[in-house]
Amino acid sequence: KAGVTQTPRYLIKTRGQQVTLSCSPISGHRSVSWYQQTPGQGLQFLFEYFSETQRNKGNFPGRFSGRQFSNSRSEMNVSTLELGDSALYLCASSLSGAARRLHFGNGTRLTVT
Amino acid sequence: GQQVMQIPQYQHVQEGEDFTTYCNSSTTLSNIQWYKQRPGGHPVFLIQLVKSGEVKKQKRLTFQFGEAKKNSSLHITATQTTDVGTYFCAGQEGAQKLVFGQGTRLTINP
Repeated sequence: KAGVTQTPRYLIKTRGQQVTLSCSPISGHRSVSWYQQTPGQGLQFLFEYFSETQRNKGNFPGRFSGRQFSNSRSEMNVSTLELGDSALYLCASSLSGAARRLHFGNGTRLTVT
Repeated sequence: GQQVMQIPQYQHVQEGEDFTTYCNSSTTLSNIQWYKQRPGGHPVFLIQLVKSGEVKKQKRLTFQFGEAKKNSSLHITATQTTDVGTYFCAGQEGAQKLVFGQGTRLTINP
């Protein structure tokens, strides 16, 4: 089975711009979670989608949004970028169910200048 | 909200020494998971613990889940250079989000 695919791998944007990141989960996985990873803050949960519905949400401002399509692919959008948004954004897919093992993609490295 | 604290943040050992990282949750967990992230890589699932007092072993790695299901530990016996990386615990309450600890970065002197 193919793993979780995230595109693009690297992105450089300017403050104030917006960005869209894409994640294709493992075939058959209906849950997609997004995490922000920075050196000082570790892995911070952004949101989780299951069957096109947001199931859980982290403590990030409204500039961060996401969605999931009927084929389980997910996108994450960040509007009005700030320097502090520079991070590695990781997507993880899992099977449905309460105790979910996450399968992570390689991430998208976003740099905001 | 739920918080997961992990210590230490960094650990440097000589190859062959043991290593332990500890994880504490502010709330009772339904399960705890452990992940390993190699430098430049992404987190990879190691194990999941569900039962109170559970102990699981994977070769030189021993994972424990506390009796109160609020803490956990990962112990590596006789570290090898392949053990280098950051180890994360992640706790879950019921069907809620998986909350990760800050991670323990392990470096090894060969």
